[in-house]
Amino acid sequence: SQTIHQWPATLVQPVGSPLSLECTVEGTSNPNLYWYRQAAGRGLQLLFYSVGIGQISSEVPQNLSASRPQDRQFILSSKKLLLSDSGFYLCAWGQNIDTQYFGPGTRLTVL
Amino acid sequence: QKEVEQNSGPLSVPEGAIASLNCTYSDRGSQSFFWYRQYSGKSPELIMSIYSNGDKEDGRFTAQLNKASQYVSLLIRDSQPSDSATYLCAVGNDMRFGAGTRLTVKP
Repeated sequence: SQTIHQWPATLVQPVGSPLSLECTVEGTSNPNLYWYRQAAGRGLQLLFYSVGIGQISSEVPQNLSASRPQDRQFILSSKKLLLSDSGFYLCAWGQNIDTQYFGPGTRLTVL
Repeated sequence: QKEVEQNSGPLSVPEGAIASLNCTYSDRGSQSFFWYRQYSGKSPELIMSIYSNGDKEDGRFTAQLNKASQYVSLLIRDSQPSDSATYLCAVGNDMRFGAGTRLTVKP
C-alpha cells in the first residue's frame, strides 16, 4: 500500500529564516505530487504540483519554491520566511490527475 | 476565477440525524468532484468522489451531483459524534477546494 510522509510535523521559525519541508511517498512510482497551504480557518491553497522529476508548476507567485530531486521526493523551500507564510503545509500524491491523498502535514509558525 | 463555495457553518445535528453539506462551483466545465473530511489538526482524508449526475452511495455517505445547477452535496445518514469534523469540497482536475463546512454531531 502507498504511504506518504512529511517532516517535520511542527516547526517554529523566525521571520527571514530559510525553510525546507520534505515529503516522500512509498509504494508507488511516478506519482503526481502537490504542495498545499492551509491558513487558519481557511481552505486549501495549491502552491505547487509536479508530474515528474524536475517538473514543477507553480500556482501562486510567492517567496516559496519547490523541487523534485527524486521520483518520490518533493521539497518545499524558502530563502526568507514571511509572517504570512505561517500555516499548515500539506503534501499530497495522486496517480491520476484528480484524486489526491494527503500526508500528515507540517504546521509552520513564523514569528 | 474558478470558485468553490461552501457554507462555513458550524452545522450542528443531533446524533442519528442526517447531515447535509452543500457545495457550489463556478466552472461549468468541471468533471470531477470530491469530498474530504478533516479532523481538527489533521490532514484531509478522501471520503468520496463523484463524476456523473445523480447519487453515489458508500455506506452512510451519499454524494449528490447536479451539473446543471453546479451543485454537489454530501449526505451523512445516522450521524455519529465521530463524524464531527470539517468537510471540504474539491472540484475539477485542478482540485479547487472550498473553505470547508464544520460539522458538529451532538450526542
